[in-house]
Amino acid sequence: GEDVEQSLFLSVREGDSSVINCTYTDSSSTYLYWYKQEPGAGLQLLTYIFSNMDMKQDQRLTVLLNKKDKHLSLRIADTQTGDSAIYFCAEIDSNSGYALNFGKGTSLLVTP
Amino acid sequence: DAGVTQSPTHLIKTRGQQVTLRCSPKSGHDTVSWYQQALGQGPQFIFQYYEEEERQRGNFPDRFSGHQFPNYSSELNVNALLLGDSALYLCASSLAMRDTQYFGPGTRLTVL
Repeated sequence: GEDVEQSLFLSVREGDSSVINCTYTDSSSTYLYWYKQEPGAGLQLLTYIFSNMDMKQDQRLTVLLNKKDKHLSLRIADTQTGDSAIYFCAEIDSNSGYALNFGKGTSLLVTP
Repeated sequence: DAGVTQSPTHLIKTRGQQVTLRCSPKSGHDTVSWYQQALGQGPQFIFQYYEEEERQRGNFPDRFSGHQFPNYSSELNVNALLLGDSALYLCASSLAMRDTQYFGPGTRLTVL
């Protein structure tokens, strides 16, 4: 599929909020996902949002969706050192049926 | 609740050899998708299996093939290995093709 774009790196201080941004490509995407990957591990599903929603909140996580600009963001409140990982944004690529189309990932570093 | 499992964890092969990777889906799931994640990249979709048939395929050569068994587990086979096949291979399962995908820990393949 075409490129899902994410900034590559983000560094925040412990206790601050983190905002990870993503621009996706397919205006017909029905679901958009955020996955977390710790070093040497698989992908952990964090949250997802349906395309008819603007916002979804799940404990410390807030997802915002701007369909007009095809922009998705993930806000992590009160970021902890355990949140340090790579975060992937993914859309369903309608050209490939139900395959996930991923960005390159944003590496989040949380410093004490 | 058993999550997605994959075996082996790590594998080292030489160019030209063949490899088989295995995946057991999350309990209750019937669809398995395979992804390749090169170092520093997001996962790339290889193919998806449902009802023991390949339903969708990404941009991968025929050297990549798969199988799904009646118990919904799946295998990924790669023939004539190339150095560029070195990657983390991720299996994801879902309840039906369009549902949210949950990932296993991956198999790290190194081709020398």
